[in-house]
Amino acid sequence: AQTVTQSQPEMSVQEAETVTLSCTYDTSENNYYLFWYKQPPSRQMILVIRQEAYKQQNATENRFSVNFQKAAKSFSLKISDSQLGDTAMYFCAFVPYNDMRFGAGTRLTVKP
Amino acid sequence: DVKVTQSSRYLVKRTGEKVFLECVQDMDHENMFWYRQDPGLGLRLIYFSYDVKMKEKGDIPEGYSVSREKKERFSLILESASTNQTSMYLCASSPMDSYGYTFGSGTRLTVV
Repeated sequence: AQTVTQSQPEMSVQEAETVTLSCTYDTSENNYYLFWYKQPPSRQMILVIRQEAYKQQNATENRFSVNFQKAAKSFSLKISDSQLGDTAMYFCAFVPYNDMRFGAGTRLTVKP
Repeated sequence: DVKVTQSSRYLVKRTGEKVFLECVQDMDHENMFWYRQDPGLGLRLIYFSYDVKMKEKGDIPEGYSVSREKKERFSLILESASTNQTSMYLCASSPMDSYGYTFGSGTRLTVV
């Protein structure tokens, strides 16, 4: 079975600090894609960052970066200099074939 | 601005009713998906389609059917709504052989 596990249902961080959200997945595939999505109260799913499994270099998008450990099947998201607008649900997802599989989500609250 | 549009943001239906959730995309995408989102469970795939008149079951297809008569429109049908189908429903689309999903803003369905 292709599964995604996010072990932190809720997290909080002070504004301007750094927070890391955890994600592990299970697949027998060698080539796949990994994603982090953000869902603010507006409910719109917003792509934060993506990583191709065949690339060893960790993806970075401004304040967002990932730590991709392929052997450990781990894909954590680091948010630096947290902002109030980062408050949202964050979903880890991966595409082993053609359809995307999601974790249960982590609710992140950024405190002023 | 490219879009995936879900016809209703909120919907209240009675048990036993036949319910249609509509999704339209304007990006000429081949792939379309229906997910159900529940707290603590993340997004679970109900059905997806790679082309007009084609459909594939996802992880939780029971109690649902779909229709794709035109490329831009993918409908989710609840044949006889039940209270356990109260949930948030998200539609997404992507181009063939691409993993760039675009999501709609969701329909929150309540079955009473």
